[in-house]
Amino acid sequence: EAGVAQSPRYKIIEKRQSVAFWCNPISGHATLYWYQQILGQGPKLLIQFQNNGVVDDSQLPKDRFSAERLKGVDSTLKIQPAKLEDSAVYLCASSLGLSIAWDEQFFGPGTRLTVL
Amino acid sequence: GEDVEQSLFLSVREGDSSVINCTYTDSSSTYLYWYKQEPGAGLQLLTYIFSNMDMKQDQRLTVLLNKKDKHLSLRIADTQTGDSAIYFCAEKSGYSTLTFGKGTMLLVSP
Repeated sequence: EAGVAQSPRYKIIEKRQSVAFWCNPISGHATLYWYQQILGQGPKLLIQFQNNGVVDDSQLPKDRFSAERLKGVDSTLKIQPAKLEDSAVYLCASSLGLSIAWDEQFFGPGTRLTVL
Repeated sequence: GEDVEQSLFLSVREGDSSVINCTYTDSSSTYLYWYKQEPGAGLQLLTYIFSNMDMKQDQRLTVLLNKKDKHLSLRIADTQTGDSAIYFCAEKSGYSTLTFGKGTMLLVSP
């Protein structure tokens, strides 16, 4: 079974530029998550989708970050404009979206963003 | 809000046991997890424990939970160089999202 795919793996941009990341979850997984992992920190949830609807985006900086999952499968995360403090690894994860508390998340390899 | 704390670094010799500790603050935590992250890779779920359990053993891994002290530990027996990685403790209460610690870097020397 293929895992969670993400692209690009690495991205270097200058501050104030825009950037987009793509995630393809495991087939059949209804729930998709985007996490931000700053160097030396644990992952922090940015947004959670259930199919194509947003479940939780309370920690997404909505003035510059946006995310969509139009057809309930792939997702894109965009930053516009980027700031230096956005330098981090952006992890995508997916889960079956079971209606029980236990719902294992599977993580992709991440996109490492460097903002200069 | 909820908080998860871990020691930042642990160094052991190959063949020794490793013990990584974690404390959490959310008394309503339902599930507690250990994830492994190797360089350039995503997080891999190693093991988990339900809050109504005290211990769980899975091959070389032993998880101990002290719910009264909100303390979780991961013991790796016969640690190998391939175990070198960052280990994250995480907790989840009910249907809430995962809260991760900052990670413990485990370095295994030959």
